[in-house]
Amino acid sequence: GENVEQHPSTLSVQEGDSAVIKCTYSDSASNYFPWYKQELGKGPQLIIDIRSNVGEKKDQRIAVTLNKTAKHFSLHITETQPEDSAVYFCAASMRGGGNKLTFGTGTQLKVEL
Amino acid sequence: GAVVSQHPSRVICKSGTSVKIECRSLDFQATTMFWYRQFPKQSLMLMATSNEGSKATYEQGVEKDKFLINHASLTLSTLTVTSAHPEDSSFYICSARRGRANTEAFFGQGTRLTVV
Repeated sequence: GENVEQHPSTLSVQEGDSAVIKCTYSDSASNYFPWYKQELGKGPQLIIDIRSNVGEKKDQRIAVTLNKTAKHFSLHITETQPEDSAVYFCAASMRGGGNKLTFGTGTQLKVEL
Repeated sequence: GAVVSQHPSRVICKSGTSVKIECRSLDFQATTMFWYRQFPKQSLMLMATSNEGSKATYEQGVEKDKFLINHASLTLSTLTVTSAHPEDSSFYICSARRGRANTEAFFGQGTRLTVV
């Protein structure tokens, strides 16, 4: 089955700096890659996603890049703000894979003032 | 994004009792719903996949008689933790996807279950 690895497990940045979180996946059949933000005691919230026919997608301060050849994808957050502090999860799924998402292990992002 | 509502957000129950958690998709029809369990500071662990009108598919190691899942309609799935024990205490989260294609998955708010 699919295996998703995520790095780093913790990331501390200064407010205004950029943050990058990286994920790798194992199954080349995966074609959908969402990113979720989870605040303490809440469910994950979809923040951005990308499909395998696209190399990059941007939404305001958030962007995701995908390298299908290397089987890795990254989340980029620019101009970080304290409210960006949360746990971020990457995930991967494939058509016909039971519609299941395989999650990474999560990154605790802390944006310091 | 679409809205998935999960209820209750917190529940405390006594050992040996059963607890039902509801997951509703409020503004779309969810052909597939998923139930996850999350331990502190860990990732989401998929427990089962629930398809409307059919039996749930459980992941390896998840007791189907312990965690009863019912997907009675395109907008409602329930998870019942039967004969709960303290080790069942956890954060349970549901998610829903539209259609059967590889579409976006939206999550509920989660339910903090404490068994005393």
